[in-house]
Amino acid sequence: QKEVEQDPGPLSVPEGAIVSLNCTYSNSAFQYFMWYRQYSRKGPELLMYTYSSGNKEDGRFTAQVDKSSKYISLFIRDSQPSDSATYLCAMSDNTGTASKLTFGTGTRLQVTL
Amino acid sequence: GAVVSQHPSWVICKSGTSVKIECRSLDFQATTMFWYRQFPKQSLMLMATSNEGSKATYEQGVEKDKFLINHASLTLSTLTVTSAHPEDSSFYICSAVSGRLERTDTQYFGPGTRLTVL
Repeated sequence: QKEVEQDPGPLSVPEGAIVSLNCTYSNSAFQYFMWYRQYSRKGPELLMYTYSSGNKEDGRFTAQVDKSSKYISLFIRDSQPSDSATYLCAMSDNTGTASKLTFGTGTRLQVTL
Repeated sequence: GAVVSQHPSWVICKSGTSVKIECRSLDFQATTMFWYRQFPKQSLMLMATSNEGSKATYEQGVEKDKFLINHASLTLSTLTVTSAHPEDSSFYICSAVSGRLERTDTQYFGPGTRLTVL
């Protein structure tokens, strides 16, 4: 069993839709949770970073963590064609984004006009 | 923002040859750099952690004699794939961290290098 499970998609939605991306994990030691966006042939870009269970909002993006269920989500409101990319969840059991990360496989998102 | 570059962006080589990939932090000093490998439709897998001026720390299952890492300066780390074979074909990506390993530090990722071994 992989430590982090993520549906690879692809996920296709119309412009303006609310997108829900999810990851589950099995390692209860994970304490820090991140979402990265990766455009084709580019490096991952950090979108959201969360530590505690609950919601964190940043513009059109909301990250949600449920440690009891070992489940994290990223919601994108009012999705735009420019949001089309692969979204990777990542987790760490140590001091946040600068420590060793365990990634999901990534979900490929396509936002259509 | 912080920029990390990689060179080359893609490389094709013959089986048995060695390939060197460079990772540079362009506008900050990186005390720590990470090297990842990503196979198609799979996760980024951490290969090794590289600290400036010291030996790299390799993840379990990664051959340190095959994947040589050098972090000779605060802005440059290199990964050399020695005696490359077709199964080494992958997308190699580095990330760089400035300062101490603290929660507020961020991993800045390079654009990746696609290696194809014939």
